Amino acid sequence: DGGITQSPKYLFRKEGQNVTLSCEQNLNHDAMYWYRQDPGQGLRLIYYSQIVNDFQKGDIAEGYSVSREKKESFPLTVTSAQKNPTAFYLCASSIVGRGVYNEQFFGPGTRLTVL
Amino acid sequence: AQKITQTQPGMFVQEKEAVTLDCTYDTSDQSYGLFWYKQPSSGEMIFLIYQGSYDEQNATEGRYSLNFQKARKSANLVISASQLGDSAMYFCAMREEYSGGGADGLTFGKGTHLIIQP
Repeated sequence: DGGITQSPKYLFRKEGQNVTLSCEQNLNHDAMYWYRQDPGQGLRLIYYSQIVNDFQKGDIAEGYSVSREKKESFPLTVTSAQKNPTAFYLCASSIVGRGVYNEQFFGPGTRLTVL
Repeated sequence: AQKITQTQPGMFVQEKEAVTLDCTYDTSDQSYGLFWYKQPSSGEMIFLIYQGSYDEQNATEGRYSLNFQKARKSANLVISASQLGDSAMYFCAMREEYSGGGADGLTFGKGTHLIIQP
């Protein structure tokens, strides 16, 4: 079955630690995205990548970093510079080149809690 | 200013009734796309329906339809014959061709929590 996997499902971090959230897709999609969701809020875009070895900042990139070394993988690192990292993180992917039709397929999410 | 506004934080609806979830948007682009996603308590986002700004017909997908009123910048989701399994968060989102600052992501509203009562 094609889809997007995220691991781990739950992650606990101590203050001052960097953590990396995994996102893998086997849909052969060129574009991948990371969103953050806070309680009672919609999703906000952190980073996105339309092609391997290239990525762009979204609306709330400060304190986060990403890499795109393979088409299938788009890991997100939450650094110690992110002041309020406790949130639900969702990874998504989509086909590019379809104009504004940008149906994104989402993974199951990772819930990060800072202790 | 918010680009996507969902004015109903929560709704209670009787099973089998039709439901309308409101969404208004703000853009200066002529070309844009509007999306609705469902998020059950498990957290995954499920794509429901899409409407392009140049589409003349309202989009429909099974029990879901989109009431698109371009002049009013409104894109309400209508769920016919609601079921208990429809209980979830519902998000309206937009993709702008130019005003998104080059970002390829979606801009989401804050969502509506829909609860279907038996």
